[in-house]
Amino acid sequence: NAGVMQNPRHLVRRRGQEARLRCSPMKGHSHVYWYRQLPEEGLKFMVYLQKENIIDESGMPKERFSAEFPKEGPSILRIQQVVRGDSAAYFCASSRTRQGSSSYNEQFFGPGTRLTVL
Amino acid sequence: QKEVEQDPGPLSVPEGAIVSLNCTYSNSAFQYFMWYRQYSRKGPELLMYTYSSGNKEDGRFTAQVDKSSKYISLFIRDSQPSDSATYLCANTRSNDYKLSFGAGTTVTVRA
Repeated sequence: NAGVMQNPRHLVRRRGQEARLRCSPMKGHSHVYWYRQLPEEGLKFMVYLQKENIIDESGMPKERFSAEFPKEGPSILRIQQVVRGDSAAYFCASSRTRQGSSSYNEQFFGPGTRLTVL
Repeated sequence: QKEVEQDPGPLSVPEGAIVSLNCTYSNSAFQYFMWYRQYSRKGPELLMYTYSSGNKEDGRFTAQVDKSSKYISLFIRDSQPSDSATYLCANTRSNDYKLSFGAGTTVTVRA
């Protein structure tokens, strides 16, 4: 049973280029979350998606960042016109259901995409 | 103020020692308290979680939560070189999906 898959694992972009990060959730999971990990900082929530819906993008920068989770295919995190400050590890997580009140709904993390902006 | 503060480490201990890791948090609404382990260049994997205050034991790992002081601990007994990793504490509220993470403590267990 494959875990959460992310690709590419490493991505190098020059300033001003676009970065596309892909995430395939675990089989049977319909909830996808993106987190960003800056050096020396904890993972920060960016966005929560279900198939064809953005549920919560409160952690996304207002400009240049977008995310989607189409009916078919992986979830995509897109960063337009990258800047050096976008260099970070981007992790995708998936869960079977949304967090409830009576038990912890585990989020399973992928191996991450490490973005370097030159 | 960060929502979750974690001792930055790094921590280096001899094999067999007890490892003690700590976090503090500021949001009194947090109800779930998790410890994730992250090996180098890998994604975080859940070690264990605790709901509200109390202790939870799983093999060599013990998690403690004190909501009155907003203090979370993880103890690793009889540490092994394979325990060498970065340990992340994370919290969330009931009915919430946003995990708030500490920055992580890197642990090295020397053989």
